[in-house]
Amino acid sequence: AQTVTQSQPEMSVQEAETVTLSCTYDTSESDYYLFWYKQPPSRQMILVIRQEAYKQQNATENRFSVNFQKAAKSFSLKISDSQLGDAAMYFCAYRSRGEGAQKLVFGQGTRLTINP
Amino acid sequence: DAGVTQSPTHLIKTRGQQVTLRCSPKSGHDTVSWYQQALGQGPQFIFQYYEEEERQRGNFPDRFSGHQFPNYSSELNVNALLLGDSALYLCASTPRGFSRLDYGYTFGSGTRLTVV
Repeated sequence: AQTVTQSQPEMSVQEAETVTLSCTYDTSESDYYLFWYKQPPSRQMILVIRQEAYKQQNATENRFSVNFQKAAKSFSLKISDSQLGDAAMYFCAYRSRGEGAQKLVFGQGTRLTINP
Repeated sequence: DAGVTQSPTHLIKTRGQQVTLRCSPKSGHDTVSWYQQALGQGPQFIFQYYEEEERQRGNFPDRFSGHQFPNYSSELNVNALLLGDSALYLCASTPRGFSRLDYGYTFGSGTRLTVV
């Protein structure tokens, strides 16, 4: 079974600064997807960024980028130019590549606080 | 385009009672998954429905059951409620036959269940 671990329960950063959230995972599969989701107080999970395991190039979405280290099974999220609206719970998630809509396996989450 | 809608938003039940939560998937999505998110934790996969059948199931007891209707909407039923069932219940939908370029899940804002 796959597991996802987020070792930082809480992180804080000054507005406009850069912060990196850590995530490690364990799997015996070679092809899979990794995601970062944001959960604001509204409770809805919002997809931030996604990475396909077969792609060596790190995914980037505007101010959000990842550092995907497949051999180390590490998948960190970097948020540049942090904004007050980035404050939320952030979850790392894993999904198998298998047929159909495979389940998401989530980490425990990191609460990100943005200091003005 | 409506996203995933869940009802009710909040619910208070007494131990031993039964509860039904409802989910309408995003337009164009035919697969519905349910997740339980305890306070301060990441979501845990309960089960997934496609073509009105349970396709995958997480490590949850038989007290948790579900149903999917021909219009793809879904219900989550929990019998003999325990205090430990208090959580946020999230519904996520996705198209079943998605390609590598379309593997996103759309989440609802959840139902907050409190068991007293």
